[in-house]
Amino acid sequence: QIQLVQSGPELKKPGESVKISCKASGYTFTDYAMNWVKQAPGNGLKWMGWINTQTGKPTYADDFKQRFVFSLETSASTAYLQINNLNIEDTATYFCTRGDYWGQGVMVTVSS
Amino acid sequence: DIQMTQSPSFLSASVGDRVTLSCKASQNINKYLAWYQQKLGEAPKLLIYNANSLQTGIPSRFSGSGSGTDFTLTISSLQPEDVATYFCLQHNSWFTFGSGTKLEIK
Repeated sequence: QIQLVQSGPELKKPGESVKISCKASGYTFTDYAMNWVKQAPGNGLKWMGWINTQTGKPTYADDFKQRFVFSLETSASTAYLQINNLNIEDTATYFCTRGDYWGQGVMVTVSS
Repeated sequence: DIQMTQSPSFLSASVGDRVTLSCKASQNINKYLAWYQQKLGEAPKLLIYNANSLQTGIPSRFSGSGSGTDFTLTISSLQPEDVATYFCLQHNSWFTFGSGTKLEIK
């Protein structure tokens, strides 16, 4: 069956970086783009952008053009989200999704 | 940028009620609209795509309608397991989520 399995929760300090993973299984990884979505505590969903899994080209929403990096390890059917220079406002759950299937989400907490 | 406005923000209804949720786009998005259900602590689940197509495995009490700027998600007979927040998503031009409707049982 189709699954997107994400890495575990992260606790980071301001200024640090974090890299979270999203491993796909049950389908051909390169047949679907991978999107990333942010959900701050108690808030709604915000689309961060997507990565073309055939070419590796990322596209970022306006609010995520600085400090955010999408990447792939195609041989492992895995997508990554890296956030650099973390700040308190990055505290959120981050989901990967191909639209119809979603990862379980990764809670990233940024606290001094 | 396309803005998506959902109403109401909060809805309380009884088991068996017919429930209607609204989503309005700031400009024409044709039928490029999806509805998601998110239960507490879980990832969103796709219910409806292309405004009115029921995702595989979703109960038939859920239905979607609309095109252009006005869209509706209807639950024909509310069940206890439908307690959740419901989001709409437009994908006509980039992607924008609505702010959600939180649905509870009265």
